[in-house]
Order: sequence, then C-alpha cells, then structure tokens
Amino acid sequence: DGGITQSPKYLFRKEGQNVTLSCEQNLNHDAMYWYRQDPGQGLRLIYYSQIVNDFQKGDIAEGYSVSREKKESFPLTVTSAQKNPTAFYLCASSPSGKLDTQYFGPGTRLTVL
Amino acid sequence: AQSVTQLGSHVSVSEGALVLLRCNYSSSVPPYLFWYVQYPNQGLQLLLKYTSAATLVKGINGFEAEFKKSETSFHLTKPSAHMSDAAEYFCASYYGGSQGNLIFGKGTKLSVKP
Repeated sequence: DGGITQSPKYLFRKEGQNVTLSCEQNLNHDAMYWYRQDPGQGLRLIYYSQIVNDFQKGDIAEGYSVSREKKESFPLTVTSAQKNPTAFYLCASSPSGKLDTQYFGPGTRLTVL
Repeated sequence: AQSVTQLGSHVSVSEGALVLLRCNYSSSVPPYLFWYVQYPNQGLQLLLKYTSAATLVKGINGFEAEFKKSETSFHLTKPSAHMSDAAEYFCASYYGGSQGNLIFGKGTKLSVKP
C-alpha cells in the first residue's frame, strides 16, 4: 500500500537532548513537509522540500533541522535550541509541491520531560 | 499576511442534524481551498478541495463545501450528522505564489450528540 509512515508514534526525551523524527513515503512524491500542531493553533509549517537535496524554512524553523538525501525520506531533528518542543508533529507529501493536495502521515507525539 | 479563519473552535450538533463549519479566507485572488478532517491522535485526511473548477465541491463521507467569492467563504456542510463525524476539521489554503505554504485555520472540533 502506498502511503506515508512516521515513526515512532510516541516519543519521550529529556530536556536538552536532540531527537530525530522519521518520515518515509512510497508515493513517489517530489515534495515533503513537516508541520507542528499545538492545541488550538492549527498546523504550522516547519520545513518543506520540493526536491531531493533542497529544502526551505517554513514559518517556525528555529530549533529544527532537516535533510533530504533521498526522495522517499525527510527526517526532522528537534534540537535542544527548540524552546518548547513538546507537540504533535505531522509529515506530509505532495506530487510536485505546486498547489497540489498534501497527504499526511499519522503523526508523532513528542514529549520532552 | 494571508490567513484562513475558522469561526467557532467547537461546534456541537445532534445526530441527524445539519453540520455547518465555517471558513473564511483573506484574499482578493481566489485561492485553492481544502478541508481536512483529523481524528484523535491521527494525521489529517482530505475531505475535499476547491481549485476553481466548480463552486460547489463534493467530498467524502457526505460532506460538501461551497465557494462564495463575494463572501470570501468556503463553508463545509453535511445534511445529517453521524456519530462517526465527531472529529476536528481544518480549512486550509494556498495563496498565489506560496508554492509550499499551505495555510491552515485553527480548526473546529465537531461533537455529535446522540
């Protein structure tokens, strides 16, 4: 089945530790995205990538980093510089990144203790 | 800045009643518009999208939305609510030139009473 997978579903980390969230898609989509979701805030764009080896900052990129070495993978690292990392993180992909429908993964809930 | 506004963070209806979830966009240029649904602790699922082909858009699960340029609105409706419709609904929009930036409203949580 084609789709987007995110792992793990739940993640706990101690304050000050970096953590990497996985996102993989087998839809052959060019574009991939990372969003952060907080209660009552909707979704906010962290980073997006329209093609392999290229990515752009979204609205709230500070404290996060990404890489796009393979078309199917777009991992997100939450660094210790992110002041309030506890949130629900959603990965998405779209065919070309130009006004396409975005398809979402199941999300990872990160809790920093 | 462009924005998407969802009126009402929480809407409650009885089973069988009309569902109306409101969304307004802020642009003189009609954008591409989407409605997504999210069940607890899950990702977002596309309900429907507007891309200027037709003003009344039909989606999955009996939902539809009407694009009204004069009101800058894209409200989501369903004639008869079902218990399984209880979820959070998000309106989202691309604006011209924002190739990667899908702008989301803050969401409306729908409760369905038996």
